[in-house]
Parts: sequence; C-alpha cells; structure tokens
Amino acid sequence: AQSVAQPEDQVNVAEGNPLTVKCTYSVSGNPYLFWYVQYPNRGLQFLLKYITGDNLVKGSYGFEAEFNKSQTSFHLKKPSALVSDSALYFCAVRVLSNTGNQFYFGTGTSLTVIP
Amino acid sequence: GAVVSQHPSWVICKSGTSVKIECRSLDFQATTMFWYRQFPKQSLMLMATSNEGSKATYEQGVEKDKFLINHASLTLSTLTVTSAHPEDSSFYICSVNGGGLSNQPQHFGDGTRLSIL
Repeated sequence: AQSVAQPEDQVNVAEGNPLTVKCTYSVSGNPYLFWYVQYPNRGLQFLLKYITGDNLVKGSYGFEAEFNKSQTSFHLKKPSALVSDSALYFCAVRVLSNTGNQFYFGTGTSLTVIP
Repeated sequence: GAVVSQHPSWVICKSGTSVKIECRSLDFQATTMFWYRQFPKQSLMLMATSNEGSKATYEQGVEKDKFLINHASLTLSTLTVTSAHPEDSSFYICSVNGGGLSNQPQHFGDGTRLSIL
C-alpha cells in the first residue's frame, strides 16, 4: 500500500535557525514526491517536487528537500527560518493507478517559528 | 496567479440547507478534479474524483447522495452538500492535476469553509 508519514505533528524553531520537517514514504515503483504549505483557511500551495535527477531539490521561499532513496525519506529544509514560515506543511506522493494519478498526503506538520 | 478558483470561500447556513461549492480550473482544461475534506489540524481526506462528462468516483465511506458532484465542463466541477447538518461542517478543498502529467503537482483551490448551524 502507498503511504506517506510525517512523524512530527508539531515543530518549533527559533527565527533564524535552520528548520527540518520530516517525511518518509512507502510506494511501489519510483515515487514522485511533493511538499505543500497551507496557511490558515487557505488551500495548499505547492513548494517543490522530486521527480528524478539531483537528490536535492530547491523550491519556493528558500525551501529545499533532499530525496534519500535508501531511507525512503524526503525531508523539507530551510537554512534560516522566518516567522512567516509558520504554517501547516504536507508531504505528498503521487502514484499511477488504474484510475489515474492519485496523491497520498501525510498527516501534516505544524511549523511554528518563534521570534 | 491562481490556477484553481473555488467559490464561495465561507458559507454559514442552517441545518437542512443544500450548499453548492464551485471549483474552476483557470489555466487548463481538466477532465479530472478532486474534492477533499479537511478537519481541523488534520490532513486532507480525498472524498471523490470528479470526471468530466461521467459519474464521479467516490472514496469508500463517502455518501454519494449526500455529496453530489457534477463535472459538466472541462473547467468546472461542483460539489453540492445536500441537506447539510452540523456534522458536515468542515473545510472542503478542490484540486486539479497540473497538466495531466504524473510529474506535475496538483493545484488547489483556496478551500470553502462550511459551517452548519
């Protein structure tokens, strides 16, 4: 079965410090991995994706993520956190199925950046 | 700019009312759209896949007669919550696959917060 896990419900980090939001996945075949951010009462905004190639992918707002095949992980990172980064973050994997392309979302991680 | 437009953004209505939510794909034609439901501080739960010109595909446990989906054109899908009750109160989000390719992200509407009194 396809699945995505975000082991941390809540991550707190001081402004200016590096941040990491963890994600692990379990899929059959090659994964297409995505990170989204959600602000209160808003839909999800796409941050970055890994399809193939370089394991380190860079995305919007200074975020990056590292694909690690051996650890089946796709952790989201940012070198220096901003208060405005406080939001809900979702990891997702996209797989092909007989009904088309389907996304599987993690349970989300609430990031709080402390001034 | 926005790729997906969802309307309305907030609805408050009495129990027993039917509520229609619209989802429009602005940048490209979408033969498939997705409807999600999100409870506070929880992940997205896929409710159904909306298919243009045919019946929607509902996920297990989702009542088809409660959540009516119509996908009459390549740019518009609607979700109607029929005879809504307080337990239907939630945040509903639609999405569209980007370009129809598997390596593209889904694009999401801004969501509709439904509050049933």
